[in-house]
Amino acid sequence: AQKVTQAQTEISVVEKEDVTLDCVYETRDTTYYLFWYKQPPSGELVFLIRRNSFDEQNEISGRYSWNFQKSTSSFNFTITASQVVDSAVYFCALSEPNTGRRALTFGSGTRLQVQP
Amino acid sequence: GAGVSQSPSNKVTEKGKDVELRCDPISGHTALYWYRQSLGQGLEFLIYFQGNSAPDKSGLPSDRFSAERTGGSVSTLTIQRTQQEDSAVYLCASSSRTSGGMGEQFFGPGTRLTVL
Repeated sequence: AQKVTQAQTEISVVEKEDVTLDCVYETRDTTYYLFWYKQPPSGELVFLIRRNSFDEQNEISGRYSWNFQKSTSSFNFTITASQVVDSAVYFCALSEPNTGRRALTFGSGTRLQVQP
Repeated sequence: GAGVSQSPSNKVTEKGKDVELRCDPISGHTALYWYRQSLGQGLEFLIYFQGNSAPDKSGLPSDRFSAERTGGSVSTLTIQRTQQEDSAVYLCASSSRTSGGMGEQFFGPGTRLTVL
């Protein structure tokens, strides 16, 4: 069963638009960790954020913000005032260390294209 | 400080040959992961090392795949009798958390393997 779903395969926006990338996860554990990674055209995965299951507080970092809602099993990522440099593939991921699943389970990724 | 490094960056081999891929994790990181990224399968976990514990090999796709981690640092992923479906980018990641799965994983640039 797919544990991390990123339903948006590709999104295209114009610079300065706001964009939200959706992530829905599935787990039976009460302790888990959620992550977002960015993969720019250069190919290297860049860590953006980690959130544990006990911390539902939303987070803002510059133009980036994350909305974690356990009630809907979602961990969505919003980029405000998008820029061309935001163009990349974004991956949401889950780890469940208490179940022995210490590696990351990735979603299929969302390709974001920001047009100038 | 230095990030995760991988070598070679590209490897082209003929079907049936063996290949070795190398990963140098961030100094002091106790956890090391191998993932594979391919067009059809997305990002898949292969194997996980944590300190001196037995590795988690649950993601290895076949017995042609094996990995070692010497001295708790450098790791080598070996693929024997390569097949065309092994063509992918092989990613290595390391993490500083002693309890695996909780900490952010830092990824290397990957090795692009092409099996002709």
